[in-house]
Amino acid sequence: EIVLTQSPATLSLSPGERATLSCRASQSISSYLAWYQQKPGQAPRLLIYDVSNRATGIPARFSGSGSGTDFTLTISSLEPEDFAIYYCQQRSNWPRTFGQGTKLEIK
Amino acid sequence: EVQLLESGGALVQPGGSLRLSCVASGFTFSNYPMSWVRQAPGKGLEWVSSIGGSGVRIHNTDSVEGRFTISRDNSKNTLYLQMTSLRVDDTAVYYCAKEWGASGWTGWLDPWGQGTLVTVSS
Repeated sequence: EIVLTQSPATLSLSPGERATLSCRASQSISSYLAWYQQKPGQAPRLLIYDVSNRATGIPARFSGSGSGTDFTLTISSLEPEDFAIYYCQQRSNWPRTFGQGTKLEIK
Repeated sequence: EVQLLESGGALVQPGGSLRLSCVASGFTFSNYPMSWVRQAPGKGLEWVSSIGGSGVRIHNTDSVEGRFTISRDNSKNTLYLQMTSLRVDDTAVYYCAKEWGASGWTGWLDPWGQGTLVTVSS
């Protein structure tokens, strides 16, 4: 099973700041990585797929990068609605696995 | 608009059984793999099971293998998860999710339903 490790567990920032979230895979997953956003009481939604492609309707301030085992989600300038939990997910191998999440909170 | 509506969650005793349903609308259901993902209270996401559009190809996570069965009825646009031998650590919100993309397996999930809560406790 591929283990995804996200860091940091919690990130405290202010609106307007830049957020950088990391996801590390226990083995190479090529470019088979996605990011999801989950707000309290809501289901997750797909943000980024195949490392760097934004899903439909996702603002350009969200971007993804990386390959192999190290990946990054960047939010260029935080909006109030961006404070949430973010999960990475791999589709390289079954079982599909998620990282444990990074909570992005308002400082 | 794509909509997924789960139901069937309940309080059940350890060792019991439960069947979850997910009714889909707004897309050609039989064209898309579907999945179940669960989230224990205050915890992260855990993929549980996926099924191909025709119902032939199935993948399960090890912890539910032999206990949970994913299935679908394309004539009813409905996805199911039959859960048996339930354990306390199966307690979670169970989400159904559509395989994202034009059709077929892409590996990504979107959208997700609102979830249904399964509580396993004596």
